[in-house]
Amino acid sequence: DAGVTQSPTHLIKTRGQQVTLRCSPKSGHDTVSWYQQALGQGPQFIFQYYEEEERQRGNFPDRFSGHQFPNYSSELNVNALLLGDSALYLCASSSPRQGYSPLHFGNGTRLTVT
Amino acid sequence: AQSVTQLDSHVSVSEGTPVLLRCNYSSSYSPSLFWYVQHPNKGLQLLLKYTSAATLVKGINGFEAEFKKSETSFHLTKPSAHMSDAAEYFCVVSSLSSNTGKLIFGQGTTLQVKP
Repeated sequence: DAGVTQSPTHLIKTRGQQVTLRCSPKSGHDTVSWYQQALGQGPQFIFQYYEEEERQRGNFPDRFSGHQFPNYSSELNVNALLLGDSALYLCASSSPRQGYSPLHFGNGTRLTVT
Repeated sequence: AQSVTQLDSHVSVSEGTPVLLRCNYSSSYSPSLFWYVQHPNKGLQLLLKYTSAATLVKGINGFEAEFKKSETSFHLTKPSAHMSDAAEYFCVVSSLSSNTGKLIFGQGTTLQVKP
């Protein structure tokens, strides 16, 4: 049973570019949350998707957007990249039947903006 | 609003000695609390969770945590540290105000285990 999978594992982009990160939830999960973890910090909530809609959003600018597909997989898009967007981006999946709180995280995508 | 404070950014213990990682929380609601572990270049792994059942919660790998409402604490302990326990540990509270399960992480505690 595959857990949460994320791709790519590493990514290097230049300031001003756009990036798309991908996440497949654990089998049986229908809710996907995205977190940003800057170096030396705890993860910070970006947003959560359920039934292909953004259900809740953290304190991130509109440059951060997402999408959820009918198969529950999700994408995180970041436009106009800044140096400060360099971080580990974590995806987590959950299910309302388990009380929503995401218990399963992927290994993350390490984004470096130069 | 919910928040967590991890009282130590770095804890160093010798192998075979007890581990104590301290966490205080603030919550307007009856909180759900978690401890996650993150090994280098890895994602987050759930160690244990508290969701208003027993106040002493047992997790994986011999870890446990005690919920103390009067002290607003949720400290993580292990009787005997192993070298493989060296990692970053996060205390986490779940925001249930909108029932979306948003997690609020502490800053993390780095656990070093010396041979």
